[in-house]
Amino acid sequence: AQKITQTQPGMFVQEKEAVTLDCTYDTSDQSYGLFWYKQPSSGEMIFLIYQGSYDEQNATEGRYSLNFQKARKSANLVISASQLGDSAMYFCAMREGGRDDKIIFGKGTRLHILP
Amino acid sequence: KAGVTQTPRYLIKTRGQQVTLSCSPISGHRSVSWYQQTPGQGLQFLFEYFSETQRNKGNFPGRFSGRQFSNSRSEMNVSTLELGDSALYLCASTALAGTYNEQFFGPGTRLTVL
Repeated sequence: AQKITQTQPGMFVQEKEAVTLDCTYDTSDQSYGLFWYKQPSSGEMIFLIYQGSYDEQNATEGRYSLNFQKARKSANLVISASQLGDSAMYFCAMREGGRDDKIIFGKGTRLHILP
Repeated sequence: KAGVTQTPRYLIKTRGQQVTLSCSPISGHRSVSWYQQTPGQGLQFLFEYFSETQRNKGNFPGRFSGRQFSNSRSEMNVSTLELGDSALYLCASTALAGTYNEQFFGPGTRLTVL
């Protein structure tokens, strides 16, 4: 079963609008971490934001915030005031606790910001 | 502080050959993970090394192997290359293993198998 699901393969958004990229996850662990990465066309993965399963507050990093809904197992990325440079592939990822704690990535969402 | 470096950046090989990719983590980082990225399968975890020991392994055949040296630099090797091995191979480093720290990724090695 897929542990990380990103249901939006692609999105088109007008510049300066806010964007929400969806991510749902599946785990039976109580302790886990959720990450979002951006991958521009150059290929390099850029870390955006992290949310721990025990964090009560939603994580924020500049224009990025993570809408964490633990009961729904949802960790959506919100980008406020989108910019042309935000056009990229976005990946949601999870690291579970325990011995098998490798990071698992979703399939990604390709975001296009329109001028 | 220098970032994660990967060499070579681009590689073209033919079926049946073998290839070795190199990754130098951020100074002081002891954990290195490798990923294969393809359009069809997305990002798939290959393995993670920490203090010269393989700590975790993904679901790849034995043709894929790796190692880590005492200076934390890591290599991965793919033997008997197949067309399906064409991919972007990314390595990432973290200071410690098994924590929720962010992984810092290198620019990747793009491997093309003809």
